[in-house]
Amino acid sequence: EAGVVQSPRYKIIEKKQPVAFWCNPISGHNTLYWYRQNLGQGPELLIRYENEEAVDDSQLPKDRFSAERLKGVDSTLKIQPAELGDSAVYLCASSFGRNTEAFFGQGTRLTVV
Amino acid sequence: KQEVTQIPAALSVPEGENLVLNCSFTDSAIYNLQWFRQDPGKGLTSLLLIQSSQREQTSGRLNASLDKSSGRSTLYIAASQPGDSATYLCAVKDSNYQLIWGAGTKLIIKP
Repeated sequence: EAGVVQSPRYKIIEKKQPVAFWCNPISGHNTLYWYRQNLGQGPELLIRYENEEAVDDSQLPKDRFSAERLKGVDSTLKIQPAELGDSAVYLCASSFGRNTEAFFGQGTRLTVV
Repeated sequence: KQEVTQIPAALSVPEGENLVLNCSFTDSAIYNLQWFRQDPGKGLTSLLLIQSSQREQTSGRLNASLDKSSGRSTLYIAASQPGDSATYLCAVKDSNYQLIWGAGTKLIIKP
């Protein structure tokens, strides 16, 4: 069974440019999470979806970040425009329900220069 | 507000030793606790999930315990190997179904 798939693995962009990350969760997992992780720290939740509904986006910087999960499967996270401080690893995770084991993708390492 | 702490931040032990990693949390109202492993530049690999009603879970050389009343969990690694070198993170699922994370313990197993 395939795990959580993220792309791209790495992305280098100039500040003020847009960037998008894509996530395909494990088949059947209705809960999807986007996290941001800075070096030496634990992940920080950006947004959580239950099916196609964003049920927790309180920590998503909505002035520049947006996310969507059409049809309750794949999800895209976008940053526009990117800032230097957005450099981090962006992790996607999924679970079968909100109270079960979460599985993570390999992450996208974003470098903003 | 739930806070999760992992001590020590880093640990270096010789190969073959048994070791314990610690995780503490401030609010006992949790649904579950999950231990993860993270290799440099990689994503998070789930190791063990302990539901709030459980006391421990085992997988191979790993054993995780949970004492909800004292706000503590331990991850026991038996007969450590160089391949166990990684950062180990614990996360609790709080009453809002959010995963609250510790900062991790960086483990180095010396051959």
